[in-house]
Amino acid sequence: GAVVSQHPSRVICKSGTSVKIECRSLDFQATTMFWYRQFPKQSLMLMATSNEGSKATYEQGVEKDKFLINHASLTLSTLTVTSAHPEDSSFYICSATRGRGPYNEQFFGPGTRLTVL
Amino acid sequence: AQKITQTQPGMFVQEKEAVTLDCTYDTSDQSYGLFWYKQPSSGEMIFLIYQGSYDEQNATEGRYSLNFQKARKSANLVISASQLGDSAMYFCAMRSLTGGFKTIFGAGTRLFVKA
Repeated sequence: GAVVSQHPSRVICKSGTSVKIECRSLDFQATTMFWYRQFPKQSLMLMATSNEGSKATYEQGVEKDKFLINHASLTLSTLTVTSAHPEDSSFYICSATRGRGPYNEQFFGPGTRLTVL
Repeated sequence: AQKITQTQPGMFVQEKEAVTLDCTYDTSDQSYGLFWYKQPSSGEMIFLIYQGSYDEQNATEGRYSLNFQKARKSANLVISASQLGDSAMYFCAMRSLTGGFKTIFGAGTRLFVKA
């Protein structure tokens, strides 16, 4: 199957700093990339959808100025958590698809665990 | 509105027995896809099985099968011959046109396999 990587896998930062998380599709060109957030023992909550070369579409309640998404190419999307606070500590997962239909498999990255002190 | 409901927060099963994880969904679309994912403690999301809304037969993938009852809007996952390595969180998910092809997830069911 297709491979999606995330970097870093784990990051600890101080409150007030910004953190960038990279998501790459390694062996395919991703039509669309998604960013999810998962709190402990909870489900995945979609944060935003991004298509290469266009602005990300954020879900209701997600602050676009706080969670900056840049989809620079068909294989790379980045999520920057700006001025991180302890409540931003979470597991962030990206995923990528090769098409837009409901039949296209979604490939998930391994996730990034963010801890804000 | 698109919605996925998993009513079992936790399930126990004896090793080598079969277990059914429940999932119901709500959508007004005629065309949609239903997915099951496994999430072990490492956090990675592992794709298990897919069912298309127009598929007439229930999907099967090895020990996994999907009991698709379209009229009842249910898509239960059946795991046969459970193994200790099956202990994990399981998520039911859906993608559809009305949902903008975004995948929405249920709350998940944590499965514990007992030796």
